[in-house]
Amino acid sequence: GENVEQHPSTLSVQEGDSAVIKCTYSDSASNYFPWYKQELGKRPQLIIDIRSNVGEKKDQRIAVTLNKTAKHFSLHITETQPEDSAVYFCAARKAAGNKLTFGGGTRVLVKP
Amino acid sequence: GAVVSQHPSRVICKSGTSVKIECRSLDFQATTMFWYRQFPKQSLMLMATSNEGSKATYEQGVEKDKFLINHASLTLSTLTVTSAHPEDSSFYICSASYGGSGTDTQYFGPGTRLTVL
Repeated sequence: GENVEQHPSTLSVQEGDSAVIKCTYSDSASNYFPWYKQELGKRPQLIIDIRSNVGEKKDQRIAVTLNKTAKHFSLHITETQPEDSAVYFCAARKAAGNKLTFGGGTRVLVKP
Repeated sequence: GAVVSQHPSRVICKSGTSVKIECRSLDFQATTMFWYRQFPKQSLMLMATSNEGSKATYEQGVEKDKFLINHASLTLSTLTVTSAHPEDSSFYICSASYGGSGTDTQYFGPGTRLTVL
């Protein structure tokens, strides 16, 4: 089955700096890669996703890049703010309706 | 749009009792619902996938007789933890998707925190 590795497990950045989280996946058939943000005790919220026919996607301060050949994808957060502090999960999925396989999560702390 | 609710948000029960958790898609029909368990400071672990009107597909290691899943309609799925024990204490989260080209995002419910005494 699919295996998703996520690094780093914790990330501390100064407000205004950039944060980068990297994930690798094992199944070359995976074609959908969402990123979720989860605050303590809350539900995961989809922040951005990318499909395998696209190499990069951006939404304001958040961007995701995908390298299908290397089977890795990354989340980039620019101009970080304290409210960006949360746990971020990457995930991979093979086809619509199939299950998501999650990475282990990255705890991001943005210091004011 | 795409709101998923869960009930209850918190439940405390005695060891040996059963607990039912409901997951509802409020503004869309969910072709597929997923149930996850999340222990403190850990990732989401998929327990089972359910499609309306058919039996749930359980992940390896998840006891189907202990975690009963019913997906009776396109807007409601239930998870019943039978004969709960302290080790079942966890954060249970459901998600729902409605399929279709470009519309297969999973939307998560707010979660249910189960504490078994």
